[in-house]
Amino acid sequence: DQQVKQNSPSLSVQEGRISILNCDYTNSMFDYFLWYKKYPAEGPTFLISISSIKDKNEDGRFTVFLNKSAKHLSLHIVPSQPGDSAVYFCAASALNDKIIFGKGTRLHILP
Amino acid sequence: EPEVTQTPSHQVTQMGQEVILRCVPISNHLYFYWYRQILGQKVEFLVSFYNNEISEKSEIFDDQFSVERPDGSNFTLKIRSTKLEDSAMYFCASSPQGLSNQPQHFGDGTRLSIL
Repeated sequence: DQQVKQNSPSLSVQEGRISILNCDYTNSMFDYFLWYKKYPAEGPTFLISISSIKDKNEDGRFTVFLNKSAKHLSLHIVPSQPGDSAVYFCAASALNDKIIFGKGTRLHILP
Repeated sequence: EPEVTQTPSHQVTQMGQEVILRCVPISNHLYFYWYRQILGQKVEFLVSFYNNEISEKSEIFDDQFSVERPDGSNFTLKIRSTKLEDSAMYFCASSPQGLSNQPQHFGDGTRLSIL
């Protein structure tokens, strides 16, 4: 039962260009969405979040967009940098509930 | 910046043995969690803990598992009679409050290898 789906296992983007990571969810009770970044041998690091009352949240180079009607969110990274190469997990939760993670997308930033 | 710390980073244990994974959450956080990630699979929720009791647990968290906050700083996950399929990365996380606008902060994980 994949409540949070990241359909692209990997993505390669040229340095300086925009990286767009996509995520779909099925549970309409989710009201809080997060993106985590994970380097090898480290735990997931919180990157950015968005509440269901918003459709966009921006933090520096990172912007998350939420389309509730489509049950879709995306993470935009612009401009992409070499240090952005990592696995990105989309995650979602309902109020006071556990986080449900997607399977992750491995982002490769090409020189 | 305060962080969640986990020890050991790697634990190798014989099948059937008990193992205790340790975590020190961020000091002013009130909610604590354990997750696991089997190699090649997604990060899965195991259990959440608040006010010295389990607030939620997943189907994975059966009688083989237990959690404890033995003192004011540590949060432990005990696995009794380990099985081969318990081999995974185990992540501890904490959050200031269990509210939907508070992200959980993760430790770097303990890699558990069951032989």
